[in-house]
Amino acid sequence: RKEVEQDPGPFNVPEGATVAFNCTYSNSASQSFFWYRQDCRKEPKLLMSVYSSGNEDGRFTAQLNRASQYISLLIRDSKLSDSATYLCVVKRGQGFSFIFGKGTRLLVKP
Amino acid sequence: GAVVSQHPSWVICKSGTSVKIECRSLDFQATTMFWYRQFPKQSLMLMATSNEGSKATYEQGVEKDKFLINHASLTLSTLTVTSAHPEDSSFYICSAGEIGSVGSEAFFGQGTRLTVV
Repeated sequence: RKEVEQDPGPFNVPEGATVAFNCTYSNSASQSFFWYRQDCRKEPKLLMSVYSSGNEDGRFTAQLNRASQYISLLIRDSKLSDSATYLCVVKRGQGFSFIFGKGTRLLVKP
Repeated sequence: GAVVSQHPSWVICKSGTSVKIECRSLDFQATTMFWYRQFPKQSLMLMATSNEGSKATYEQGVEKDKFLINHASLTLSTLTVTSAHPEDSSFYICSAGEIGSVGSEAFFGQGTRLTVV
């Protein structure tokens, strides 16, 4: 089983739609969780950290379920500019070793 | 936020030659930097962990004699792809985090697109 798994998509949604991505991780000792966004041929950029209590940043909501070992990202009122690949990222241990999921591709259409 | 600079951003080299990629933390010190590789339509794969002043730790399946890593200072790590072949063509990205900021995000360099012809 891969350490971090995501549905690769693509998710094709109309502007204004709500879309949700899930990600599962296998290492129960994983300590920190993040969603990164990666545009084509660019480096990943942090979208948001994920906390057990859930956190929201504008149109984006992230949730962590430690018991079931999954992380979710909800995007409301999708914009064309949200089109990108969303990477679920798990930090391994205390250091800065990040394990990436394969990414979920989102395409928002007019 | 912290800045990680990677150079060059792209390089084309002939098969059999070596290519060096630099990763610098510009405004913070990083005892540990990480090197990733990303093939088209694939995710980033961790290649190795670069530790300042000591040997790098390589992930399973990554040839340490082919991908030489040097972390000579707290702000610079280099990855040298030796005797490059076309199958080494990929997007290479480094990341680093600040000393003492255990819970924080990592910062990524801009990436280096390597094409071996």
